Amino acid sequence: DVKVTQSSRYLVKRTGEKVFLECVQDMDHENMFWYRQDPGLGLRLIYFSYDVKMKEKGDIPEGYSVSREKKERFSLILESASTNQTSMYLCASSFWNSPEAFFGQGTRLTVV
Amino acid sequence: KNEVEQSPQNLTAQEGEFITINCSYSVGISALHWLQQHPGGGIVSLFMLSSGKKKHGRLIATINIQEKHSSLHITASHPRDSAVYICAVRPSDNTDKLIFGTGTRLQVFP
Repeated sequence: DVKVTQSSRYLVKRTGEKVFLECVQDMDHENMFWYRQDPGLGLRLIYFSYDVKMKEKGDIPEGYSVSREKKERFSLILESASTNQTSMYLCASSFWNSPEAFFGQGTRLTVV
Repeated sequence: KNEVEQSPQNLTAQEGEFITINCSYSVGISALHWLQQHPGGGIVSLFMLSSGKKKHGRLIATINIQEKHSSLHITASHPRDSAVYICAVRPSDNTDKLIFGTGTRLQVFP
């Protein structure tokens, strides 16, 4: 079974903190994705990586950065968390040029 | 206008009812996904379609490429089917990215 594991299910952070969300996949997938999910807006792509050290901005990259130092791990970084970044964050992975994606269990982040 | 539209946004049903969730999209696609998200957040893939119809247990997914429309049907619904159902499309422009609908929240009451 493909596994996409996110490091935390729930996180509470203070405004201004630096926040790391980690995602690990065990299927040697080239592609990894970070989405946020908000009521009424669905899933929106923050960043996408198609290879180690490669990244591409998604639809809403502002306030976020990413790191992909190893193929299996894709980190989302909030440099200075703000309350409008309170959301559900979902990681996904897929093989290059494959339509099939696998999702993690989600991290619900609250910034207070 | 969203490129992927789902209807209805919310749906309640009595156990045993037949349920239909619709998805319309405005871009050319290479594949369409139906996803299920239970409370707590994790998303699982139910179907991936590029044409025709697929069936898995009580779930049936159909797609009409010409009309740019897909439906997810649940027969003999059960309270454990309560979840958010999300339609997502892979555009045919060779991107590996998905475009998501906003989801349909289904509640099935006993």
